[in-house]
Amino acid sequence: KNEVEQSPQNLTAQEGEFITINCSYSVGISALHWLQQHPGGGIVSLFMLSSGKKKHGRLIATINIQEKHSSLHITASHPRDSAVYICAADGGATNKLIFGTGTLLAVQP
Amino acid sequence: KAGVTQTPRYLIKTRGQQVTLSCSPISGHRSVSWYQQTPGQGLQFLFEYFSETQRNKGNFPGRFSGRQFSNSRSEMNVSTLELGDSALYLCASSFGLAGNEQFFGPGTRLTVL
Repeated sequence: KNEVEQSPQNLTAQEGEFITINCSYSVGISALHWLQQHPGGGIVSLFMLSSGKKKHGRLIATINIQEKHSSLHITASHPRDSAVYICAADGGATNKLIFGTGTLLAVQP
Repeated sequence: KAGVTQTPRYLIKTRGQQVTLSCSPISGHRSVSWYQQTPGQGLQFLFEYFSETQRNKGNFPGRFSGRQFSNSRSEMNVSTLELGDSALYLCASSFGLAGNEQFFGPGTRLTVL
């Protein structure tokens, strides 16, 4: 079993829909990272959170430390949100990240 | 502020050769981490450097090595290339020792023939 699990692996949505991507982890963490990767490879850090909830524009990330679970929500999805979304566990002792397998999101107009 | 830069962006090598990849972190960042991304294994941690010292190493063979210079620029080297080393190699820089946001470079796509 992977230390960081994501679901779903693939997600197709219509423009405007509310999207949720889930991440569960089995390791101890100091923070959970959400990353976005567009075709071509570049990775952008969306959130780093250790408790509660963070919001940036249409993106919301939540984490429940007791349940070892985090969610990434996209409100009013848009085709430009199409990308791979990756969660990564940060153990805290170093900058090493343990990654989930990613969720491929396609938002259709 | 300039972002993380990686050179070269694309590289084609043949089995048995060696390769050196370079990463220049964001100015002021002292930590550089390297990751390998393949379709089969996803993103995997290779190693991390802070102030010219390797602080952590992933589960990769000794053919994979790296170093960091006094200006925080980092290089990774893969010797005796194998077909399975074909991957996107990403580096990420961060400011401190741990618990920091990481800023990723565009990656070097290595193809081994």
